[in-house]
Amino acid sequence: EDQVTQSPEALRLQEGESSSLNCSYTVSGLRGLFWYRQDPGKGPEFLFTLYSAGEEKEKERLKATLTKKESFLHITAPKPEDSATYLCAVHHAPGYSSASKIIFGSGTRLSIRP
Amino acid sequence: DAGVTQSPTHLIKTRGQQVTLRCSPKSGHDTVSWYQQALGQGPQFIFQYYEEEERQRGNFPDRFSGHQFPNYSSELNVNALLLGDSALYLCASSSSEADTQYFGPGTRLTVL
Repeated sequence: EDQVTQSPEALRLQEGESSSLNCSYTVSGLRGLFWYRQDPGKGPEFLFTLYSAGEEKEKERLKATLTKKESFLHITAPKPEDSATYLCAVHHAPGYSSASKIIFGSGTRLSIRP
Repeated sequence: DAGVTQSPTHLIKTRGQQVTLRCSPKSGHDTVSWYQQALGQGPQFIFQYYEEEERQRGNFPDRFSGHQFPNYSSELNVNALLLGDSALYLCASSSSEADTQYFGPGTRLTVL
């Protein structure tokens, strides 16, 4: 079964304490993996798209990496304003003639204490 | 450059009623997708519209229907509302030439 799993569900860090969020997936025909940030009651904000294993992208204190089975979102020296839910989504096409699908994980709630 | 816009922001309905939510895509985008997000969960795909036709559909009943207009804006209609339909409804737009989706602020639907 196609699945996207994010871990941990929640993470509390001290300001400046670096860590990583995990997104593992079991899908066939990966077309891309997306990371989004979502603040409470708001729509997800696009962060990164990764297309192939070994690819890395960076934005400020965030760095996303991709392997064949998982992606990591590394947060370096986080600040309180980085507190949010981080969502991972996988775009895949199971078969040659199959329509592509996007599946979201349940997210990781990140809290940064000052 | 306006991003994805949705209306209304909040909506309260009672069981059995019908509701229509609206979405205007980001400038230059021609594809609109709708998602339902329950509290504490990731967005669940409802359907996607391209060239005024439903191109893909997730595991949602026929009570959920949609429409796309020639200007690429879209509507989501839900009939015979159930308590379980209470959620944040998200619209995302993308270009047919790229798969990255950009989300609107969402419509919070409460069914009493």
